[in-house]
Amino acid sequence: VRLEESGGGLVQPGGSLRLSCEGSGFSFSNFWMNWVRQAPGEGLEWVANIKNDGSEINYGDSVKGRFTISRDNARNSVYLHMNTLRAEDSALYYCYCAAGGVLDVWGQGTMVTVSS
Amino acid sequence: QALVTQEPSLTVSPGGTVTLTCASSTGPVTSGHRPFWYQQKPGQAPRTLIYDTNNRHSWTPDRFSASLLGGKAALTLSGAEPEDEAEYYCLLLCRGPWVFGGGTKLTVL
Repeated sequence: VRLEESGGGLVQPGGSLRLSCEGSGFSFSNFWMNWVRQAPGEGLEWVANIKNDGSEINYGDSVKGRFTISRDNARNSVYLHMNTLRAEDSALYYCYCAAGGVLDVWGQGTMVTVSS
Repeated sequence: QALVTQEPSLTVSPGGTVTLTCASSTGPVTSGHRPFWYQQKPGQAPRTLIYDTNNRHSWTPDRFSASLLGGKAALTLSGAEPEDEAEYYCLLLCRGPWVFGGGTKLTVL
């Protein structure tokens, strides 16, 4: 059971980036998926989640209107499209699946740095 | 969006007991918030200790227990060991958005 993030990197303020997270070893299409971020030296911040079939989506206040979460169950993948990036979006972005006692798995994270 | 508050830091002696709490700015924490608790050590991804208020995962040591206490979620560590020194976060599943607490840095000393 594994989640693997990719797509992080250095981007200029105002720029865009797309993060990807691929799941393996479990029935990806059955579970809600989350993105969680952690700025250097700071705490965890929940970013967004998406229902297993994509029919429900929620965002944290700090990213609403700028970030879009989506998924492709055929590819066992969830994505985070990030637009209008700011310095304060710089963080390690984790993919996370929490399903009570059935499944609980974190990725290792992908780093996003927003800087000119 | 609710503000979730934890003690910034706590210290416990080896073998001792300590309780970490998690409060919501919108009112009492209830089982409806489905509180989660996480442990994070430097350089590592978080590890989920507790889900749905008081349920341990198979990998969660028995010395960790959780409950609702005085309108807050609570994580109790009984018989602290040196490897329990870490940052601990709670998570509340509010209507729609999820919200993490600011974390408690637990020192075992």
